[in-house]
Amino acid sequence: EAQVTQNPRYLITVTGKKLTVTCSQNMNHEYMSWYRQDPGLGLRQIYYSMNVEVTDKGDVPEGYKVSRKEKRNFPLILESPSPNQTSLYFCASRMVYSNTEAFFGQGTRLTVV
Amino acid sequence: GEDVEQSLFLSVREGDSSVINCTYTDSSSTYLYWYKQEPGAGLQLLTYIFSNMDMKQDQRLTVLLNKKDKHLSLRIADTQTGDSAIYFCAESPYNTDKLIFGTGTRLQVFP
Repeated sequence: EAQVTQNPRYLITVTGKKLTVTCSQNMNHEYMSWYRQDPGLGLRQIYYSMNVEVTDKGDVPEGYKVSRKEKRNFPLILESPSPNQTSLYFCASRMVYSNTEAFFGQGTRLTVV
Repeated sequence: GEDVEQSLFLSVREGDSSVINCTYTDSSSTYLYWYKQEPGAGLQLLTYIFSNMDMKQDQRLTVLLNKKDKHLSLRIADTQTGDSAIYFCAESPYNTDKLIFGTGTRLQVFP
């Protein structure tokens, strides 16, 4: 089954404690991206990757890092989380240069206290 | 700049039609999409329309595109309680793989 898997689904952490949210896809997609969803703001892109070792900033990259060492994985790293990063995070993947469907993970609800 | 706007809420009675509206700013967008987000889930593609089309129909869904006004709408006929969800409009600017999402419209269907 084609899918994007994020872990964990829920996470409560304290300010400053480094964390990683994992994302994995099994569709051999080149393009992967991270979004955060906040009430009244919709989804905003944090980072994206066009292929292995190719990453770039989205619209709200501050406070986040990503890596793309393998095609299937695209982890999101918060080196020093702050309360304003409390949000619902989605990973997505799609084929590049095709305007085809983007597949989304189930989401990770992060609370930073 | 790129911006996609939607109204935040829509409430309809079961069996009625729902119309969700969206305005976008990037006239270069070649594809426009509607995604559905059910509670506790990720987004799923409902339908999309190519920018040289005015209308697309897919079972109970009708998408209308007014390119001059940069206005996109999604009509759901015979709305059911299972249609209750958040609906996101998205555009994909020319020559990018980026998806720019609207704020989402929460559709509530009551009996």
